[in-house]
Amino acid sequence: GENVEQHPSTLSVQEGDSAVIKCTYSDSASNYFPWYKQELGKGPQLIIDIRSNVGEKKDQRIAVTLNKTAKHFSLHITETQPEDSAVYFCAASLSNYQLIWGAGTKLIIKP
Amino acid sequence: DARVTQTPRHKVTEMGQEVTMRCQPILGHNTVFWYRQTMMQGLELLAYFRNRAPLDDSGMPKDRFSAEMPDATLATLKIQPSEPRDSAVYFCASGLLRAEQFFGPGTRLTVL
Repeated sequence: GENVEQHPSTLSVQEGDSAVIKCTYSDSASNYFPWYKQELGKGPQLIIDIRSNVGEKKDQRIAVTLNKTAKHFSLHITETQPEDSAVYFCAASLSNYQLIWGAGTKLIIKP
Repeated sequence: DARVTQTPRHKVTEMGQEVTMRCQPILGHNTVFWYRQTMMQGLELLAYFRNRAPLDDSGMPKDRFSAEMPDATLATLKIQPSEPRDSAVYFCASGLLRAEQFFGPGTRLTVL
């Protein structure tokens, strides 16, 4: 079955710098790759997603890139702000709607 | 605005007791998911429903866990009997086919 690995488990960056979180997946048939942000005491919330027919997608300061050949996708956050501090999860999905989740990355923004 | 609601938000119980967690999905959503989150295991899918029918509950310990959707506005997750290793945050999420999952605020369960 599908397996998703996420790195790093913890990432600390200076406010204003960029942050990059990477995920790899095992099943080449996966075609949907969302990223969720989980703030303390809350449930995860979708921040951006990409489908396999697209290589890159941007939404203001966040972007996701997908390399289908290498089977990896990444989340890029530019000009990081204190409110970006959270746990970020990647996930992958086959043609059904079940998501296979990465283990999460705790992002710390240092003032 | 529409959101998933879960009750209770916190539950402390003793080992052996029955625990029932409830979820109200967003009106119109046809998929419902139950997840368990622990520090060690991350997000684990316990069960999911489409149009109120259970499609996969392979992530659930069958001997003690059960999940149901008695109607389109209510999903329940029951643990009987509860054990200390069940202590975790349980999330319900709802959505539409092949689209975003909207998570509730979770139920933090502590089993003593």
